[in-house]
Amino acid sequence: NAGVMQNPRHLVRRRGQEARLRCSPMKGHSHVYWYRQLPEEGLKFMVYLQKENIIDESGMPKERFSAEFPKEGPSILRIQQVVRGDSAAYFCASSPPASGRGSGRASYEQYFGPGTRLTVT
Amino acid sequence: GQQLNQSPQSMFIQEGEDVSMNCTSSSIFNTWLWYKQDPGEGPVLLIALYKAGELTSNGRLTAQFGITRKDSFLNISASIPSDVGIYFCAGAPYISNFGNEKLTFGTGTRLTIIP
Repeated sequence: NAGVMQNPRHLVRRRGQEARLRCSPMKGHSHVYWYRQLPEEGLKFMVYLQKENIIDESGMPKERFSAEFPKEGPSILRIQQVVRGDSAAYFCASSPPASGRGSGRASYEQYFGPGTRLTVT
Repeated sequence: GQQLNQSPQSMFIQEGEDVSMNCTSSSIFNTWLWYKQDPGEGPVLLIALYKAGELTSNGRLTAQFGITRKDSFLNISASIPSDVGIYFCAGAPYISNFGNEKLTFGTGTRLTIIP
């Protein structure tokens, strides 16, 4: 059973370009989370998505950042007009449906992908 | 927002020693999880805790959900070189709206084994 997959693993962009980060959740998982991590720091929540729905985007900057999780295909984190401060590791996690908690609810157990390291030059 | 304080920030130990670290919150949590992150990789889930007072083991790792629901502890017995890495606690705050399962992460404890 494949784990969470992220690509690319490394991405270099010049200032002003767009960055697209992809995440394929584990099989059977319909909840996806995106996190950002700076060197020597912890994980900062960005956005929580269910298929075709954004559940919580409170951690995502209002401008230049967007995320989607379509009915078919991977979740995409998109950063427009990147700046040097966007350089970081971006992690995706997925979780399975929670048992006995009602339809649409997720387990709290999140499983992480290997991350995409974005470098803005 | 929620804050999780994790301590110590770093530990330098010798192989074979036991390790203890903890995580505290300013508010009640209904779930605690512990993760380990190796350099250049994503965090790996080690242990999940769901009930106050719960004590759960995974090999040489033991974690506890504090009875106040505001803290959690992770112990590693007889450390070995592959234990090196950063350990993160994570929790889900107790909130009235259970439709949001996002986690809050601690600042991490960096474990180094001295040869």
